[in-house]
Amino acid sequence: QVQLVESGGGVVQPGRSLRLSCAASGFTFSSSGMHWVRQAPGKGLEWVALISSDGSNKGYADSVKGRFTISRDNSKNTLYLQMNSLRTEDTAVYYCAKGSGYSYVSSLDHWGQGTLVTVSS
Amino acid sequence: DIQMTQSPSSLSASVGDRVTITCRASQGISYYLAWYQQKPGKVPKLLIYAASTLQSGVPSRFSGSASGTDFTLTISSLQPEDVATYYCQKYDSAPLTFGGGTKVEIK
Repeated sequence: QVQLVESGGGVVQPGRSLRLSCAASGFTFSSSGMHWVRQAPGKGLEWVALISSDGSNKGYADSVKGRFTISRDNSKNTLYLQMNSLRTEDTAVYYCAKGSGYSYVSSLDHWGQGTLVTVSS
Repeated sequence: DIQMTQSPSSLSASVGDRVTITCRASQGISYYLAWYQQKPGKVPKLLIYAASTLQSGVPSRFSGSASGTDFTLTISSLQPEDVATYYCQKYDSAPLTFGGGTKVEIK
């Protein structure tokens, strides 16, 4: 079955960096678009970034553009999110999600359990 | 960017009631609209994609429809296990914006 396991969350000071990872299994990772979605404590879902199956197409929310970079290593079945210049408003649970269709823009049919990122001094 | 406006933000209904949640796109997104269910403390789950296609394994009491830029999620007979927050999401192009969510409770 599809499994997505995020790691790399933790407490970080404002202005610092953090890299999240998402280990995928149970499906052909190299054929799927992948996404990061976050949820601040007690708030709704916010889409963060996407990457196409081969990594050639990427997209970002305006709130993270220029600070966050999504990438993937298809040889390791792993998705990444490099987060730089972190702000307190980036505090959230970060979910890795699998795109459902052949296009890199699609609904999200499987989600990981999430990893908590807390940005605080 | 296209905005997704969900209404109501919360509702309370009785078991067996028909429940309707609406999501309005600020511009046309064709049928590229998904609905998700997030139960308290749980991970979001895909319910419906392409505005009206039920994801495998989702009970048939859930349905989706579209009319122009207005999209509707309907629960035909509300069950206790449907207590959750429901989100719409557009996926025609980036950014893949979510609606603000609708919290559904049992009266």
